[in-house]
Amino acid sequence: EVQLVESGGGLVQPGGSLRLSCAASGFTFSNYWMSWVRQAPGKGLEWVANIKEDGSEKYYVDSVKGRFTISRDNAKNSLYVQMNSLRAEDTAVYYCARVGLTIYFDYWGQGTPVTVSS
Amino acid sequence: DIQLTQSPSFLSASVGDRVTITCRASQGISSYLAWYQQKPGKAPKLLIYAASTLQSDVPSRFSGSGSGTEFTLTISSLQPEDFAAYYCQHLGFGQGTKLEIK
Repeated sequence: EVQLVESGGGLVQPGGSLRLSCAASGFTFSNYWMSWVRQAPGKGLEWVANIKEDGSEKYYVDSVKGRFTISRDNAKNSLYVQMNSLRAEDTAVYYCARVGLTIYFDYWGQGTPVTVSS
Repeated sequence: DIQLTQSPSFLSASVGDRVTITCRASQGISSYLAWYQQKPGKAPKLLIYAASTLQSDVPSRFSGSGSGTEFTLTISSLQPEDFAAYYCQHLGFGQGTKLEIK
């Protein structure tokens, strides 16, 4: 059974940093692109970042470029996002998702909430 | 960047109704479009990919069609568990459609 379990969310002050993790199981992690997707309170879904199977390619939504870094450790079956210079508008539930079919997200974690507030 | 525009943003319907949600892309995307269902407090669930291919375990009352710039998600006979938010996606997402009980 495919499972994705996020962790690391919490309350952080504006300008602060946070690192989210996603532990994957039930599939060969190193064979798939992975993504982070977020959802601000009461709002829609927003794709945040993608990373290729071997970590050699990374893509970001414009609003997080230069502040967020996606990474992975295939030996640990884990996906990460380092979030720096956090802003109030980064407040959201952050989901880890597997890119299973071309560009589609076929499995999702339960999400981890991030609140940026003083 | 390709923008996706869904309509309507809100839809009120009854159990047994047939409903259609539309997603328009700002430029042609062939058939590279997916649809997701999201219930409150839950992660999204992939319903349809490649515009019209039903994901495994998704009921056959859901169907998708379209290519290029215009796509539709149709639910042939609404069930109580179908009242949720729906999103189209091509890398980025449409703004969503909230389907509510009339």
